Amino acid sequence: ETGVTQTPRHLVMGMTNKKSLKCEQHLGHNAMYWYKQSAKKPLELMFVYNFKEQTENNSVPSRFSPECPNSSHLFLHLHTLQPEDSALYLCASSQARTDQPQHFGDGTRLSIL
Amino acid sequence: RKEVEQDPGPFNVPEGATVAFNCTYSNSASQSFFWYRQDCRKEPKLLMSVYSSGNEDGRFTAQLNRASQYISLLIRDSKLSDSATYLCVVNGPGGTSYGKLTFGQGTILTVHP
Repeated sequence: ETGVTQTPRHLVMGMTNKKSLKCEQHLGHNAMYWYKQSAKKPLELMFVYNFKEQTENNSVPSRFSPECPNSSHLFLHLHTLQPEDSALYLCASSQARTDQPQHFGDGTRLSIL
Repeated sequence: RKEVEQDPGPFNVPEGATVAFNCTYSNSASQSFFWYRQDCRKEPKLLMSVYSSGNEDGRFTAQLNRASQYISLLIRDSKLSDSATYLCVVNGPGGTSYGKLTFGQGTILTVHP
């Protein structure tokens, strides 16, 4: 069980497709995050949202477009992805304080054909 | 130098053994520290926060040495269910670096009967 829910769990798409990943948190947190985890590499922070405002874009290519309509929901819109974008995409949430740990969703395993 | 560095292992230990993991971090202004565990093809889950005075949670003991920029995790009386990848996680300075968790590459632990 998790207070952070991600859909879909698995996604296979072609390079020209457009798809969106969804994340919802039920923990009353006010900060949300997107991470990428590629095989044999550490988790990489992609985006940070604090009270719906984007506070961090970690040099992510524009083919990844985040959207945060409210503190409970976070989307990652995907367009014209490359094969190297195949990875596990993890959403997390936390209270907006540096001493608070982040809680992760199950992730979306993305494969680009 | 990597921002967060861990011995990748793998560590293979018998049930009941005591095992210790080490981690070093490069940013002396880092404010908070965590250990997460990640099971194969699953999301990271918080194991414990690490406090300056050291802290214990059952069979797990975490230590922080700010002067040496070093974090450790000790697992006593290892169980088969402890088999996982253990992630050392550091939260950067506050202000513009709010929410920036930096993950180590992880240390793989396998506990065998």
